[in-house]
Amino acid sequence: SSELTQDPAVSVALGQTVRITCQGDTLGSSYASWYQQKPGQAPVLVFYGKNIRPSGIPGRFSASNSGNTASLTITGAQAEDEADYYCNCRDSSGLHLVFGGGTKLTVL
Amino acid sequence: QVRLVESGGGWVKPGGSLRLSCAASGFTFNDYYMTWIRQAPGKGLEWLSYISGTGRTIRSADSVKGRFTISRDNDRNSLYLLMNSLRAGDTAVYYCARLSKTWDDAFDIWGQGTMVTVSS
Repeated sequence: SSELTQDPAVSVALGQTVRITCQGDTLGSSYASWYQQKPGQAPVLVFYGKNIRPSGIPGRFSASNSGNTASLTITGAQAEDEADYYCNCRDSSGLHLVFGGGTKLTVL
Repeated sequence: QVRLVESGGGWVKPGGSLRLSCAASGFTFNDYYMTWIRQAPGKGLEWLSYISGTGRTIRSADSVKGRFTISRDNDRNSLYLLMNSLRAGDTAVYYCARLSKTWDDAFDIWGQGTMVTVSS
C-alpha cells in the first residue's frame, strides 16, 4: 500500500483553478514531486523540490506544502491538462521511493 | 538530446526470467542515479529499484527484493533489470528513469517503457 494518498479523481471547468493533493507523513519534512501522465505516454515531471518547474512546463503549474499535504495547483486549466497526476517522495525509512495512487483530472 | 530507450520486454511464462535494458544518451550517464518503475495495466506507478552512478548503492522495493536485480554498465551507458521468478502480477509497462541531481526524489527523465506480460 502507498504511503501517499491522492484523491482518485478530480474535475475542473476549463479555465478555472484546480488543486490536486497528496497526503503523507513524510511530506511534513520534505517536498513531493509531481508527474503528469497522458494515456499511452510515459509520465512527465511537472514540479519538484521546493519550487522547481522543469523547462517546458507551463507557468500555470505550481506546487506547495502545508503540514503533511502537498498540492499541485493548475491555475487556468486547459484541455490539454486532462491527465493522470502522480506525486512521489521518499518513504519513512528515507531509503525507498513511493508514489501516490494517482489522480485522474478531467477538464470539463 | 537526453534520451532513455528501454528494450527487452515481451511475453514470458510464470516462473520465467527476463532481462530489460535501458540505453541512455545525451547526458553523462555515470553521474546519475538510475531507477526502474513499473505500471500494471490500468494501475498506478510503482517504484522498483534504484542504483547509484557507481553501482555501489542499490535499493529495491520489498515487492521485488530477491527476485529483481538492477545493474548498470557505465561503459555502455546502459541500465538493466534482471527479473526472475516472474508472476502474473509482474505484468506491467516497465520504465527506466533518471533521478534528478537537483532533487534526488524526482525522476526527471523517463523512457517510453517496455511491456512485460507474464502469462501461461
